[in-house]
Amino acid sequence: DAGVIQSPRHEVTEMGQEVTLRCKPISGHNSLFWYRQTMMRGLELLIYFNNNVPIDDSGMPEDRFSAKMPNASFSTLKIQPSEPRDSAVYFCASSQQGNYGYTFGSGTRLTVV
Amino acid sequence: GENVGLHLPTLSVQEGDNSIINCAYSNSASDYFIWYKQESGKGPQFIIDIRSNMDKRQGQRVTVLLNKTVKHLSLQIAATQPGDSAVYFCAERYGNNRLAFGKGNQVVVIP
Repeated sequence: DAGVIQSPRHEVTEMGQEVTLRCKPISGHNSLFWYRQTMMRGLELLIYFNNNVPIDDSGMPEDRFSAKMPNASFSTLKIQPSEPRDSAVYFCASSQQGNYGYTFGSGTRLTVV
Repeated sequence: GENVGLHLPTLSVQEGDNSIINCAYSNSASDYFIWYKQESGKGPQFIIDIRSNMDKRQGQRVTVLLNKTVKHLSLQIAATQPGDSAVYFCAERYGNNRLAFGKGNQVVVIP
């Protein structure tokens, strides 16, 4: 298995632009998580899905952030409009229900200038 | 890496020595704990886990100890190698399969 696949690896965008981050979970995993990692806050859970359904989005910082999971093999995290304080590394992780260990992707490093 | 510049607790250890990394967790109801390793430019990688009905679990060169009385978790790495240099996170499971991560501990192995 190729693991959790995220794209792009790096994204540099101007303030105000829309940013879309993509994630392909491990096949057979039915839980998907989006995390944000910053120097100040460490790893923060933004949202997670079970069986493609958003279960808890209380970690999403603002309405500018949205996430979708249209099917079991794909999820997106969108920021519109982006701001410099959104600069961080965004990780996607997946797990199989009943198996609590997460597998993380390599992350997307987002820089908003 | 993602944590460069962050004032993480740092453990400097001589190659070949044993390392001990400590973590305090917050929720007494947490029933499952994991240690992750994060190398520069990579995502966190699972190392070892332990359920709350255990107090010790061993893997290859790693041992996790759990003290529920004081809500403390530790990771012991035997015969530390240069490839062990990374940031180590403890995580506790709460609610519906959610993990909360600690701030991380930087381990620097001196050759």
